[in-house]
Amino acid sequence: AQSVAQPEDQVNVAEGNPLTVKCTYSVSGNPYLFWYVQYPNRGLQFLLKYITGDNLVKGSYGFEAEFNKSQTSFHLKKPSALVSDSALYFCAVRDANNAGNMLTFGGGTRLMVKP
Amino acid sequence: NAGVMQNPRHLVRRRGQEARLRCSPMKGHSHVYWYRQLPEEGLKFMVYLQKENIIDESGMPKERFSAEFPKEGPSILRIQQVVRGDSAAYFCASSPANYYEAFFGQGTRLTVV
Repeated sequence: AQSVAQPEDQVNVAEGNPLTVKCTYSVSGNPYLFWYVQYPNRGLQFLLKYITGDNLVKGSYGFEAEFNKSQTSFHLKKPSALVSDSALYFCAVRDANNAGNMLTFGGGTRLMVKP
Repeated sequence: NAGVMQNPRHLVRRRGQEARLRCSPMKGHSHVYWYRQLPEEGLKFMVYLQKENIIDESGMPKERFSAEFPKEGPSILRIQQVVRGDSAAYFCASSPANYYEAFFGQGTRLTVV
């Protein structure tokens, strides 16, 4: 079975500071990894994905994430946070070796960026 | 190309009534997924469908819940005899065949009173 852990319910950061939202995963095969963002009363918006290749992937709105196979992690990062980045962030995994196409989500991390 | 469309956005049902949630995937997408989100919680997988087939329904309660994705028309998530605990946001996502990420609709917020 595949699973995702987001150990922090909430991350607080001051505007202009770097931010990190943590994610670790477990799959039996190779992972496909994703980050989504959810604003209040909205659906999930895709931010970025890791499929293969460079461990550092860049996505929308200046976000990036680093795939670390040995630590089974895929932390989301941004060099300089904006107040408008405040939202709920979800990490998700899919098993590349599983014929099913199901995404498994972590519990979410609320990012609060203060002016 | 319109995104994933879900309707209604908000649905209020009395206990014991039926709830029908509709999802029209993006054009060209043949895979549909339904997720449930309780307030301040993550998304729980319910069911994965392709046209006319249920691929994985391991996350869906065995009773009262059913889902379909007919050859023509939207995917439907049906909840019979709703109870207060069914109150949640239900999200639909779609993807083309053999695609990596899924694209989400705005969700249907079901309130059972």
